[in-house]
Amino acid sequence: KAGVTQTPRYLIKTRGQQVTLSCSPISGHRSVSWYQQTPGQGLQFLFEYFSETQRNKGNFPGRFSGRQFSNSRSEMNVSTLELGDSALYLCASSLGQGAADTQYFGPGTRLTVL
Amino acid sequence: AQSVTQPDIHITVSEGASLELRCNYSYGATPYLFWYVQSPGQGLQLLLKYFSGDTLVQGIKGFEAEFKRSQSSFNLRKPSVHWSDAAEYFCAVGPSGGSYIPTFGRGTSLIVHP
Repeated sequence: KAGVTQTPRYLIKTRGQQVTLSCSPISGHRSVSWYQQTPGQGLQFLFEYFSETQRNKGNFPGRFSGRQFSNSRSEMNVSTLELGDSALYLCASSLGQGAADTQYFGPGTRLTVL
Repeated sequence: AQSVTQPDIHITVSEGASLELRCNYSYGATPYLFWYVQSPGQGLQLLLKYFSGDTLVQGIKGFEAEFKRSQSSFNLRKPSVHWSDAAEYFCAVGPSGGSYIPTFGRGTSLIVHP
């Protein structure tokens, strides 16, 4: 079974631009979560989607948004990019949305904002 | 609010030596506890998790962890380290009910000398 895939793997943008990152979960998984990883803040939860609905959201500004499609694929969008948005963005999928459901992570998208 | 502390930023061990990575958590109820490993350029991989029951948990790649409620700890151990174990290790705590919104520690970087 194919793992979680994220595209693109690397991205370079300039301040003020917007960016869309994509995540394809493991087949059959209905929950997708997004995380931001930076050297300064570590791993921080962005949001979680289950059955096309955002179920939980972390403490990030409204510039960060996401959605999930009927096939469970998910996208996250960051508008008006800032230098501090440079990070590794990780997507994780799981069968359900409970704590007992193991999360499987993708390799991440490395975003650099210049 | 829940929190996780990994006191050691870096740990260096010789190949074949034993390993213990420390993790202390703060959580009001019985937590769900996890250990993940991240190799360079990769996403996170779940090593093991504790939900309830036996406090000594066996994971993949020869790792184990012990939940000690009295010490609020969940330390990761391996009896004999291999060079391929060099990676970043993250401890995480999640709520024991409802949706899974984990809090991650800042990570411990493991360096393995030949």
